[in-house]
Amino acid sequence: NAGVTQTPKFQVLKTGQSMTLQCAQDMNHNSMYWYRQDPGMGLRLIYYSASEGTTDKGEVPNGYNVSRLNKREFSLRLESAAPSQTSVYFCASSHRAYNEQFFGPGTRLTVL
Amino acid sequence: GENVEQHPSTLSVQEGDSAVIKCTYSDSASNYFPWYKQELGKGPQLIIDIRSNVGEKKDQRIAVTLNKTAKHFSLHITETQPEDSAVYFCAASPFNAGGTSYGKLTFGQGTILTVHP
Repeated sequence: NAGVTQTPKFQVLKTGQSMTLQCAQDMNHNSMYWYRQDPGMGLRLIYYSASEGTTDKGEVPNGYNVSRLNKREFSLRLESAAPSQTSVYFCASSHRAYNEQFFGPGTRLTVL
Repeated sequence: GENVEQHPSTLSVQEGDSAVIKCTYSDSASNYFPWYKQELGKGPQLIIDIRSNVGEKKDQRIAVTLNKTAKHFSLHITETQPEDSAVYFCAASPFNAGGTSYGKLTFGQGTILTVHP
């Protein structure tokens, strides 16, 4: 039981490049989330998926898109990376929207 | 939207002392308040949570108190140990009139706790 896995662990991009962060969970959870963590700002919700087939914006969605590929997988895409998107990105999942969220190990992204 | 303020930003204690971290929130509709511990290089992990129908909850050396009137909640760690050193985050989640939470946690800024042996 791996829990929540994220790939890649580290990534360096140039401004304007695109990439997709992958997230998968093996706990049969319905809800999945993407957060970014910046120093002194805690974790901020980018997008979430309350259940398979639905996605919704969080606090800071600009510059990102998401896809809930199936119940297990929830990807985050940066279409045109900007230096302001340099951050650590965490994926999380929960059984339902009102339950404990389990976090992945994070992806450290640097945009030059 | 919800706004969560967390204090202090850093906290240094001696092993065996108690540590207290405080959070305030703005949205009176919030009713779920989890606390997460994040160790270096890892994702946050839930250590305790409380719902608004409860004023206090305890789990071994960790306790959380909630004052809904004042809109603040606190984490108390007793008999601290070096392995308690980490970043701690509080969070709050509102729910709609139907009682269903969207799971949209708003996090505080985090507290770096250092426990000196």
